[in-house]
Amino acid sequence: GEDVEQSLFLSVREGDSSVINCTYTDSSSTYLYWYKQEPGAGLQLLTYIFSNMDMKQDQRLTVLLNKKDKHLSLRIADTQTGDSAIYFCAESSSTGGFKTIFGAGTRLFVKA
Amino acid sequence: DAGVTQSPTHLIKTRGQQVTLRCSPKSGHDTVSWYQQALGQGPQFIFQYYEEEERQRGNFPDRFSGHQFPNYSSELNVNALLLGDSALYLCASSLHQGSSYNEQFFGPGTRLTVL
Repeated sequence: GEDVEQSLFLSVREGDSSVINCTYTDSSSTYLYWYKQEPGAGLQLLTYIFSNMDMKQDQRLTVLLNKKDKHLSLRIADTQTGDSAIYFCAESSSTGGFKTIFGAGTRLFVKA
Repeated sequence: DAGVTQSPTHLIKTRGQQVTLRCSPKSGHDTVSWYQQALGQGPQFIFQYYEEEERQRGNFPDRFSGHQFPNYSSELNVNALLLGDSALYLCASSLHQGSSYNEQFFGPGTRLTVL
């Protein structure tokens, strides 16, 4: 079945770059997403990438997709303390309809 | 635009009881999905409603049911509550586009505690 896996914890210093990694199993994944969740808040869509793309950049965020290895990464440049949150990798596929499959989340801790 | 709203914010129930959670989608959205997020886990898809019908369902028992109203708002009902049903229940709304792209907007969730 579909599965999305990501490391559970990442700690970086303020101003450094953060890289959060994710692997997925569904080869028919069409869209891959990165969501952010802050304490007591719902999920916020940060960015997404279509499966025929290798890279997408949006201000401080860079998404890299290796479709062969089913590996997705999110790079946050110049990480700030306000970036501390849980980041979820997710995927949806044309065969899965509108169902979105989420990973367990990576907790990013930014040290001042 | 109020975005996606959910009520109540918190709820405490006992085992065996029934609960109803409510969701109002973002203005202009016609599709509502429900997710269960257990502590320390990612959201798990429960089901999705479009045109007042359940369109897709995740791996959840029949104790979980839902409804969508003509104004696109939705309810999630859970019967015969178990301790394991304790979780944050998230509602997400989107605009049906007939493709797998699914820019969902999430509500803040309802925290359900089953004692």
